[in-house]
Amino acid sequence: EVQLVESGGGLVQPGGSLRLSCAASGFTFSRYWMHWVRQAPGKGLVWVSRIKSDGSSTTDADSVKGRFTISRDNAKNTLYLQMNSLRAEDTAVYYCARAPYCTSTSCHLNTFEIWGQGTTVTVSS
Amino acid sequence: DIQMTQSPSSLSASAGDRVTITCRASQSISTFLNWYQQQPGKAPKLLIYAASSLQSGVPSRFSGSGSGTDFTLTISSLQPEDFATYHCQQSYSSPLTFGQGTRLEIK
Repeated sequence: EVQLVESGGGLVQPGGSLRLSCAASGFTFSRYWMHWVRQAPGKGLVWVSRIKSDGSSTTDADSVKGRFTISRDNAKNTLYLQMNSLRAEDTAVYYCARAPYCTSTSCHLNTFEIWGQGTTVTVSS
Repeated sequence: DIQMTQSPSSLSASAGDRVTITCRASQSISTFLNWYQQQPGKAPKLLIYAASSLQSGVPSRFSGSGSGTDFTLTISSLQPEDFATYHCQQSYSSPLTFGQGTRLEIK
């Protein structure tokens, strides 16, 4: 079964740090681009970061640029989000999401095909 | 950034109804448009990608159309499990952006 399981969320004070993890199973993790998407309480979905299948390229939303770092360990089938200098407005459920496999005839790297269950980050004093 | 605007923000309907949700992009995105369904307290689920392609396993009562700036998601005959929030998302360029969501409620 294809599965993504996030962990690492919790309560942190403003200015603090957290590292989220997303454990992948049921598919060849190293072949897929991965994303982080977040959702503040009662709000819509917001894309956070993206990483290429081999980890050689990343893209971040402006709101997290310079504070959050997406990375992956393909040997451990795990995606990470290192979050530093956290702010109250970073409070959200954080989802990892997998893009579809890219072939010569179909490539939708910015589509979120498989989602994890989410992990909650609360930034508050 | 490309802004995505959904309408309506909320919608009341009955089982068996045909429902259409609209998503408008602030600039042309060709057919780089996806639709997701989200049940309360759950992760989103991909329904439609590339504006009109039905994701595997999604019932055929869901359909998508449009190109350029205007897109629609249609549910041909509402089932009880379809009452949820629907999100559109442009996959044309970074930053990837979503609409604000459409909450579909039982009338």
